[in-house]
Amino acid sequence: DQQVKQNSPSLSVQEGRISILNCDYTNSMFDYFLWYKKYPAEGPTFLISISSIKDKNEDGRFTVFLNKSAKHLSLHIVPSQPGDSAVYFCAASGMTGNNRKLIWGLGTSLAVNP
Amino acid sequence: SAVISQKPSRDICQRGTSLTIQCQVDSQVTMMFWYRQQPGQSLTLIATANQGSEATYESGFVIDKFPISRPNLTFSTLTVSNMSPEDSSIYLCSVATGPYEQYFGPGTRLTVT
Repeated sequence: DQQVKQNSPSLSVQEGRISILNCDYTNSMFDYFLWYKKYPAEGPTFLISISSIKDKNEDGRFTVFLNKSAKHLSLHIVPSQPGDSAVYFCAASGMTGNNRKLIWGLGTSLAVNP
Repeated sequence: SAVISQKPSRDICQRGTSLTIQCQVDSQVTMMFWYRQQPGQSLTLIATANQGSEATYESGFVIDKFPISRPNLTFSTLTVSNMSPEDSSIYLCSVATGPYEQYFGPGTRLTVT
């Protein structure tokens, strides 16, 4: 059962436009959410995060929005640049027993076209 | 954050053999994790490597198949034992420097023939 879902396997946008990547989750116990970017042959790189007590977090061109009632978060990249082309993973953090773990989505492959 | 290196970066192994993957961190960290990413799949946590105690394995992963060592706060190894083609995957180590974010090594791409 996929607790974190990224329903769009791929997304293509023009350079300079906005990229919106979506993520849905099912477990209301998740209290922190993270976005990672992954280039081929590299490990995931932490991008931005948001606590469940907030609805927005912004860092430069990247903004994450959280809608707790809908169990939905999104990552906005504006303006998009060709270097943003990568696979983006949504991850949710929650306690399982005494341990905190990250649960990952399947990823969305973003292509930013010049 | 932390700088994490992994060895080897890739390997091709024959079924029935074992491979040990090393993970080195540039600073002392309490929590280290080992993940697997199979083709077309997301990241799956194999185990949490705790310094000074046995690793904590996730459901579906056992110590006999994936023994882990954590001799100090900057180093860990994961061994993939008695490999089969189904073990072909990218293996990633990560560290947590705080309660939430994890930072990843570059990964080890394993192909089992």
